[in-house]
Amino acid sequence: NAGVTQTPKFRVLKTGQSMTLLCAQDMNHEYMYWYRQDPGMGLRLIHYSVGEGTTAKGEVPDGYNVSRLKKQNFLLGLESAAPSQTSVYFCASSNPANYGYTFGSGTRLTVV
Amino acid sequence: DAKTTQPTSMDCAEGRAANLPCNHSTISGNEYVYWYRQIHSQGPQYIIHGLKNNETNEMASLIITEDRKSSTLILPHATLRDTAVYYCIVRVASSGNTPLVFGKGTRLSVIA
Repeated sequence: NAGVTQTPKFRVLKTGQSMTLLCAQDMNHEYMYWYRQDPGMGLRLIHYSVGEGTTAKGEVPDGYNVSRLKKQNFLLGLESAAPSQTSVYFCASSNPANYGYTFGSGTRLTVV
Repeated sequence: DAKTTQPTSMDCAEGRAANLPCNHSTISGNEYVYWYRQIHSQGPQYIIHGLKNNETNEMASLIITEDRKSSTLILPHATLRDTAVYYCIVRVASSGNTPLVFGKGTRLSVIA
């Protein structure tokens, strides 16, 4: 079981460039989440999804878009990257009856 | 969801029990206490959760006071690999569409 897989693991972007972060889970989980973590800080929720085709905003959604076209995948897009989006991005998934979240290993993004 | 208060950091000698406190004085009757940890640069890992009874699993024990206003996570024999940031989160268990909110947690350093 791979669990939650995030790609890429590292990326450097120039200001204004766009990119998509992919999160894939093989546990048939209903819920998926995107968090970001800045140095010395806790995780902050960007967007989340409670099912295929549905998404919702979290605490810090500005500058990001998401899509959940397939149950197993949750994509996070940056349309025009800014240095303030330099962070480590974590994806997680869970089920309604499952109390624990399973997290991916993270994507370290630097915007220069 | 109720807010939690945790010490910023703690030290523990290797082989000794690590006791991590958490205050959640505004917890509601249907809110659970969850504990996660994050080892350096990795995604958070679920440890344990409980409602009002003490809980134990292969990783840790959770002691919740009778009034439920505080709890303690116990790592019975801490090892160097337990060095991590530990997050205490209070949340209604069935609120799968209300994502986990992470604070800054407690940085536990296990010292040889």
